[in-house]
Amino acid sequence: AQSVTQLGSHVSVSEGALVLLRCNYSSSVPPYLFWYVQYPNQGLQLLLKYTTGATLVKGINGFEAEFKKSETSFHLTKPSAHMSDAAEYFCAAAGKGGNKLVFGAGTILRVKS
Amino acid sequence: EAQVTQNPRYLITVTGKKLTVTCSQNMNHEYMSWYRQDPGLGLRQIYYSMNVEVTDKGDVPEGYKVSRKEKRNFPLILESPSPNQTSLYFCASSFGREPNQPQHFGDGTRLSIL
Repeated sequence: AQSVTQLGSHVSVSEGALVLLRCNYSSSVPPYLFWYVQYPNQGLQLLLKYTTGATLVKGINGFEAEFKKSETSFHLTKPSAHMSDAAEYFCAAAGKGGNKLVFGAGTILRVKS
Repeated sequence: EAQVTQNPRYLITVTGKKLTVTCSQNMNHEYMSWYRQDPGLGLRQIYYSMNVEVTDKGDVPEGYKVSRKEKRNFPLILESPSPNQTSLYFCASSFGREPNQPQHFGDGTRLSIL
């Protein structure tokens, strides 16, 4: 069964520093991959998605993620953190031809001034 | 405005008292799903539906029921709620019959079962 692992339940960075949130999936066939962000008391919003094609995917708010098949990874990055990036981030995967979307446990990003 | 609407947003109730959480989407989406969110566990899928009258179990379906009689509505039913169902619940919908499209999420329903 598909599973998604997010390394680090909490990540803390300084404002202006690089943001790196890690995500690994378990599947021999590359799935569809997503990153979502959740702000307090809100639902999840899509940041970016990977389906096929270019392995570097750009999303909203300056975030991007790179699909690496050899490492079964889909890490999320942003060159310079902003205070407004503080939120919980979820990586998710859907198997091709499957019916389920599987989420990682989430990573809470804290941005220090 | 395209949206997924859940009601109620908050509910405190007692063990064994049947409750229904409604979910409605106005985007003509075929795929709809319910998730529960618990600290340290992320979102876990309860049930999903690929079309009207087509529903199937997700990863944590025990204690829940759903129905899909109309395309826009996908209510979550707890016939006999128990304290371990205290959680934050999200309804989501997406275009197509598979979850390979971005999910649109409601704002969540926080249930407390005493």
